[in-house]
Amino acid sequence: DTAVSQTPKYLVTQMGNDKSIKCEQNLGHDTMYWYKQDSKKFLKIMFSYNNKELIINETVPNRFSPKSPDKAHLNLHINSLELGDSAVYFCASSLSTTGGKNIQYFGAGTRLSVL
Amino acid sequence: DAKTTQPNSMESNEEEPVHLPCNHSTISGTDYIHWYRQLPSQGPEYVIHGLTSNVNNRMASLAIAEDRKSSTLILHRATLRDAAVYYCILLWAGTALIFGKGTTLSVSS
Repeated sequence: DTAVSQTPKYLVTQMGNDKSIKCEQNLGHDTMYWYKQDSKKFLKIMFSYNNKELIINETVPNRFSPKSPDKAHLNLHINSLELGDSAVYFCASSLSTTGGKNIQYFGAGTRLSVL
Repeated sequence: DAKTTQPNSMESNEEEPVHLPCNHSTISGTDYIHWYRQLPSQGPEYVIHGLTSNVNNRMASLAIAEDRKSSTLILHRATLRDAAVYYCILLWAGTALIFGKGTTLSVSS
């Protein structure tokens, strides 16, 4: 069983469209994250949820809206897609947010291409 | 911004040990030192972490300087599969991973 699974793996869409990426973890973790890796390979945190509550919200356009229906799921909805949104988006989860227990497990990524 | 400094790249031969250095001179007492790696076209993968003492696991060893201002990730016998970008990250309570540029490790057969 895949510990952290993201769907879809690839997403190709036109500018202006709205799309969603789903993430599920079966590790029983309390905290989930979304990271973005741009074309220069820089990985950056976008959001983090702990027990369905938003705890980290970096400077991200409000076109991006995370939603956590339960502890095991964290979805990312993107409105009005722009060319600059093209990137690989990684979901991750961890048991806790304390430094020693914050071991994060990542999904395989969703490669988003906006045309 | 990342609070660690790593060499951009390193090279190794297969089956030889690899020592990947990391400087973190501004580390605070509650910062844990985490190492992750990212293989080509994959998500980041946890390698090891520590606070003050040296740590060993099945993947690697982590040697932490006595003043905690630097650390070294040790791969005891590099394999081709270890070719990846290795990230040294300081992590404190309630935060997410802040990735820097990391060290790109190349392994030759």
